[in-house]
Amino acid sequence: DAGITQSPRYKITETGRQVTLMCHQTWSHSYMFWYRQDLGHGLRLIYYSAAADITDKGEVPDGYVVSRSKTENFPLTLESATRSQTSVYFCASRGTGTVETDTQYFGPGTRLTVL
Amino acid sequence: GENVEQHPSTLSVQEGDSAVIKCTYSDSASNYFPWYKQELGKRPQLIIDIRSNVGEKKDQRIAVTLNKTAKHFSLHITETQPEDSAVYFCAAKVNYQLIWGAGTKLIIKP
Repeated sequence: DAGITQSPRYKITETGRQVTLMCHQTWSHSYMFWYRQDLGHGLRLIYYSAAADITDKGEVPDGYVVSRSKTENFPLTLESATRSQTSVYFCASRGTGTVETDTQYFGPGTRLTVL
Repeated sequence: GENVEQHPSTLSVQEGDSAVIKCTYSDSASNYFPWYKQELGKRPQLIIDIRSNVGEKKDQRIAVTLNKTAKHFSLHITETQPEDSAVYFCAAKVNYQLIWGAGTKLIIKP
């Protein structure tokens, strides 16, 4: 778990501002994921990436942008934050190549509040 | 697409008793089924998983069973302890993604 980090851990912003959440992993995992978790709810996939420069939409991509220029980093940007984007955001990663790499490992999360 | 349903949403058991959480999935192509535990304010962490070529897997007090025909899998926790209190999520793998259940809040009563 120590191999995947997120920053900042807490963020308060205002409606309309752009916010970027960072995710960094040291395992050289191919796959990376962004989830949001709202109070009392499960995990909803926002975007995922199969490798550097390859990204794809998940269940709830609207209002978010991702990029992946390097394997180890997967930033998530809220272009114009809205109150409905107040949530806890988790980044996760998994490897590829063997059946043992199906496990997703989660970062510690970023608690985002949009006022 | 794949849908994963998880029941119950809340489960309260006496310390020392067993707890069972059930999930059903819809896509017969799913071949990997993990269970994650999330303590309050923490990240989800894998506690056990099972693949479609196995019917049951155990790890100390935790076990998972899979019925491919019925498309359901269950988490069994025996001799529950206070530290088992958490939210538990099941998931099913489809292609490169995990499709998640809504979670079960497990409460262990002293």
